[in-house]
Amino acid sequence: GQQVQQSPASLVLQEGENAELQCNFSTSLNSMQWFYQRPEGSLVSLFYNPSGTKQSGRLTSTTVIKERRSSLHISSSQITDSGTYLCAMVTNYGNEKITFGAGTKLTIKP
Amino acid sequence: NSKVIQTPRYLVKGQGQKAKMRCIPEKGHPVVFWYQQNKNNEFKFLINFQNQEVLQQIDMTEKRFSAECPSNSPCSLEIQSSEAGDSALYLCASSLFRNNQAPLFGEGTRLSVL
Repeated sequence: GQQVQQSPASLVLQEGENAELQCNFSTSLNSMQWFYQRPEGSLVSLFYNPSGTKQSGRLTSTTVIKERRSSLHISSSQITDSGTYLCAMVTNYGNEKITFGAGTKLTIKP
Repeated sequence: NSKVIQTPRYLVKGQGQKAKMRCIPEKGHPVVFWYQQNKNNEFKFLINFQNQEVLQQIDMTEKRFSAECPSNSPCSLEIQSSEAGDSALYLCASSLFRNNQAPLFGEGTRLSVL
C-alpha cells in the first residue's frame, strides 16, 4: 500500500487564510521533507524535519513520529503561495530511500 | 540555487531513440537517486547508487534504462529505446547518507517522447 498519504489533494483558499497540509506515513522514517514544486518541475526544499516543529517565516512544519504524521502550515497565505506542495518520507535503514506523497495543489485566490 | 546539476533541462526524442540525461551530484555526496515524475505527478523511484555501485533499481530500469555513476564523471540515465510513456520529469538527488542531512534535488530533465 501507499506509504505516504498526503491530504488534501487540492485546497482553495482566500488570500490571508491559513493553509494546513497533512502527510501520514505508514512505516518508520528518519525524516520528513517538504517541498514546493515550481510549475516547470524543479523542487524547492522547504523543511527537512525529523521530529518536532520548525518554522521559516510564514511556514511551519511539525512532525510527530509516534503518530506517524507531518504537517505544513502556511499562515496568512498569499497568492504567490499557490502551487504544488509535496511531502517526502526519507528512510535510511542501510539503504536510503525517499518516498513521495501525491502532492497538494494549493490555490490562493485574491 | 540547486547544488545538484542536471542537464539538459529539456529533452525531445522520437520513439525508439536513445535519450540520455546527466546529473552532477553535490560534491562529497556518495548516494545518488533517480526519480521519474509522470504526467499524473506520481513519483517513481528508478535507481540509486552509492559510490558508483547500484544499491537498488526497479525492473523497468533494469530492462530499458541504463544508468551509471562513474567516479570523477557525471552520473547518467539513458533510455535505450524511448517510448511515449517515458515522457516525464526525471529528477536526480544526492545525499550524504546521514540521518540529519537532507537529500538535495536537481532541477530535473523534462523528457518529451514524440
